[in-house]
Amino acid sequence: DIQMTQSPSSLSASVGDRVTITCRASQGISNSLAWYQQKPGKAPNLLLYTASRLESGVPSRFSGSGSGTDYTLTINSLQPEDFATYYCLQYYDTPPFSFGPGTKVDIK
Amino acid sequence: EVQLVESGGRLVQPGGSLRLSCAASGFTFSSYSMNWVRQAPGKGLEWVSYISSGSDTIYYADSVKGRFTISRDNAKNSLYLQMNSLTDEDTAVYYCARSRLGDWFCDLWGRGTLVTASS
Repeated sequence: DIQMTQSPSSLSASVGDRVTITCRASQGISNSLAWYQQKPGKAPNLLLYTASRLESGVPSRFSGSGSGTDYTLTINSLQPEDFATYYCLQYYDTPPFSFGPGTKVDIK
Repeated sequence: EVQLVESGGRLVQPGGSLRLSCAASGFTFSSYSMNWVRQAPGKGLEWVSYISSGSDTIYYADSVKGRFTISRDNAKNSLYLQMNSLTDEDTAVYYCARSRLGDWFCDLWGRGTLVTASS
């Protein structure tokens, strides 16, 4: 099974900052990676899929990149509503799928 | 409105059973593969199970294999998760999630239902 690591586990940032979160897979996943945002008490919300494709309705300050085993979520000009926990999900080949452990972004 | 609504979560004793339901509306349920994903209190997300649109392909996480059964009724626009031999490690919010048409990742999530396995 494919294991996902995510770094950092948490970070503190200010409104307007650029934030970068990284996910690493235990083997190549051919861009089969999605990013989710989750706020306390709410369901996850899809931000990007296929590593870099922005979901409809998601602000363009969110972007994704990467290949092989290493992938990055970047938030340009962090907004107050972006303080949340972010998860990556690998969906390469067939299940089992696996999520990264999450990155909590809070206010500095 | 496109939505998924889970139900059935409650307090259950370890060793007990529970059946979760997920009602879909606003889209052609029978065309989509579906998933259950759970989240233990204060923890991260864990994928639990997948079922294809026609129920011919099913997968489970190792942590629930042999204890949980996923099923669906396309005529009722409903997804189910039968959970047996529950342990305290199964305590979590259980989310119903739709797979993007033609792909695997989850693009629509319900609000979740809380299952607590405790004596």
